[in-house]
Amino acid sequence: LAKTTQPISMDSYEGQEVNITCSHNNIATNDYITWYQQFPSQGPRFIIQGYKTKVTNEVASLFIPADRKSSTLSLPRVSLSDTAVYYCLVVSRDDKIIFGKGTRLHILP
Amino acid sequence: GAVVSQHPSRVICKSGTSVKIECRSLDFQATTMFWYRQFPKQSLMLMATSNEGSKATYEQGVEKDKFLINHASLTLSTLTVTSAHPEDSSFYICSPRSDTQYFGPGTRLTVL
Repeated sequence: LAKTTQPISMDSYEGQEVNITCSHNNIATNDYITWYQQFPSQGPRFIIQGYKTKVTNEVASLFIPADRKSSTLSLPRVSLSDTAVYYCLVVSRDDKIIFGKGTRLHILP
Repeated sequence: GAVVSQHPSRVICKSGTSVKIECRSLDFQATTMFWYRQFPKQSLMLMATSNEGSKATYEQGVEKDKFLINHASLTLSTLTVTSAHPEDSSFYICSPRSDTQYFGPGTRLTVL
């Protein structure tokens, strides 16, 4: 069973900030939270990874509350090319990696 | 980031033939490799986990005699789809285990 729950789809407009929230109520102490982006006919592309609090890189921010039961991927100023499926994964070094259904993000002009 | 390659990127074969898909981790060594398949508009589904030098572990419902996995070295794992049928047509993706999990570009298999 996937360890995560996300909205099935979201729409937004170019230039907006998009926040995608993921629920992972049964996250374990050793688990990290990782987000991926996937375009059609391509493998998932790593976006960002975190354990707790906030992580920021050149493309996104990841917010993780203290209880770690959820996380929010924030994409600043999206463009049409950000239209993709986004997967939130809970990953530990010792376990297999199971994908949830992901969030299909559609950016409108 | 880590680079993972797959070969071929796409393959079309006749029903009943076997197809081999290679997955290479180009800049690190991986003792464990995950193999996934993905049908249109669906998420990635884990097929099996292979470990270098030992037998692969298959997920429930995945036929180990049909999907042969070999993990002969720390940088190469292969998936062979034996006696392929149209229902095996899918997008196959590998991912070597690492601290940050990277995925291959995928192989599109079409069985006629």
